[in-house]
Amino acid sequence: AQSVTQLGSHVSVSEGALVLLRCNYSSSVPPYLFWYVQYPNQGLQLLLKYTSAATLVKGINGFEAEFKKSETSFHLTKPSAHMSDAAEYFCAVRTQGAQKLLFGQGTRLTINP
Amino acid sequence: DTAVSQTPKYLVTQMGNDKSIKCEQNLGHDTMYWYKQDSKKFLKIMFSYNNKELIINETVPNRFSPKSPDKAHLNLHINSLELGDSAVYFCASSKAYTGELFFGEGSRLTVL
Repeated sequence: AQSVTQLGSHVSVSEGALVLLRCNYSSSVPPYLFWYVQYPNQGLQLLLKYTSAATLVKGINGFEAEFKKSETSFHLTKPSAHMSDAAEYFCAVRTQGAQKLLFGQGTRLTINP
Repeated sequence: DTAVSQTPKYLVTQMGNDKSIKCEQNLGHDTMYWYKQDSKKFLKIMFSYNNKELIINETVPNRFSPKSPDKAHLNLHINSLELGDSAVYFCASSKAYTGELFFGEGSRLTVL
């Protein structure tokens, strides 16, 4: 069975600081991994995805994530936070052959001026 | 031109009533989904359709009945609404099961 855990339901950083949102997964087969962002009162939007090509994946809005098999992690980072990054972020996993995406609990990112 | 559109955006209704939410996508995708997001932002898949065929039904009460008249539309009808049905319901679509989902803006259901 697969699962995904996001560490920290709320992360707060200052504008210009590093953003690090943590995601760990559990899967018996190689996973496909995703980060989605949800701005207030909107649907989710794909930020980036890992599908077994390069382990360092670049996404939209300056975000990137690194797949680390040994740590079963797929943490999301951005070097310098902007106020516009304030949103809810979801990590998700899908295993090969699976017909659905399993979402983590979400991490709310707050940016302090 | 919205890719995945849901109507209505807000529904407020009394317990015991019936309500429907409509969803349409213009992306040419084969697969459509309904997700439920609770007050703690937890997202859970309810249903998935592929080319009008029901693929996933995640132990959702049979008061919830999805219908896909064609692969561009997926509607959700809810009978005998209960307080616990209050949530935001998201429609999404994807090209097969890639995991790259395109979401609508959500329909916020409040049951009083």
